[in-house]
Amino acid sequence: RKEVEQDPGPFNVPEGATVAFNCTYSNSASQSFFWYRQDCRKEPKLLMSVYSSGNEDGRFTAQLNRASQYISLLIRDSKLSDSATYLCAVNRPGGGNKLTFGTGTQLKVEL
Amino acid sequence: DGGITQSPKYLFRKEGQNVTLSCEQNLNHDAMYWYRQDPGQGLRLIYYSQIVNDFQKGDIAEGYSVSREKKESFPLTVTSAQKNPTAFYLCASSSLAGSGNTIYFGEGSWLTVV
Repeated sequence: RKEVEQDPGPFNVPEGATVAFNCTYSNSASQSFFWYRQDCRKEPKLLMSVYSSGNEDGRFTAQLNRASQYISLLIRDSKLSDSATYLCAVNRPGGGNKLTFGTGTQLKVEL
Repeated sequence: DGGITQSPKYLFRKEGQNVTLSCEQNLNHDAMYWYRQDPGQGLRLIYYSQIVNDFQKGDIAEGYSVSREKKESFPLTVTSAQKNPTAFYLCASSSLAGSGNTIYFGEGSWLTVV
């Protein structure tokens, strides 16, 4: 089993739709979780950290399910500008603040 | 501007040549990282450093070397021993204070072997 797994997509959704992505992780000792956004041929940029209680930032909501070892990202009222690849990242226990990244889920928002 | 600067943005290498990718940060971060990204494989960790004059191998260190002589700088050398070096290389940094610190990325360097 891969350390971090994501459905590669693409998810093609109409503008205004709600879309959700999941990301599973294998190491139950992981403590820190993140969602990054990556545009084509650009560097990943932090979208949001994922907290145990769940957190929201505008149209974006992130949740953590420790029992089932996955994190999720919900995007409401999708915009054309949300089209990108969304990477989840999970820290590796053992110090050094090292992250393992998923391969990303591609989102395409269409008119 | 605060941030992470990588150079060059595009680099072409002939087979058998070593090339060095520069990474400088002015965020006063303790930790620096090099990741490689290939299509469909996500980001893979090459090397990381938590403190000056110390660094550790990541998952795919073979064919690469690094140095950390200054806190701000973490150059990566892609040696001729790296058999498939064509990729997008990303330098990153983070604070180590506390836990769960965010990793920030530079704009990346595209390396192509010709």
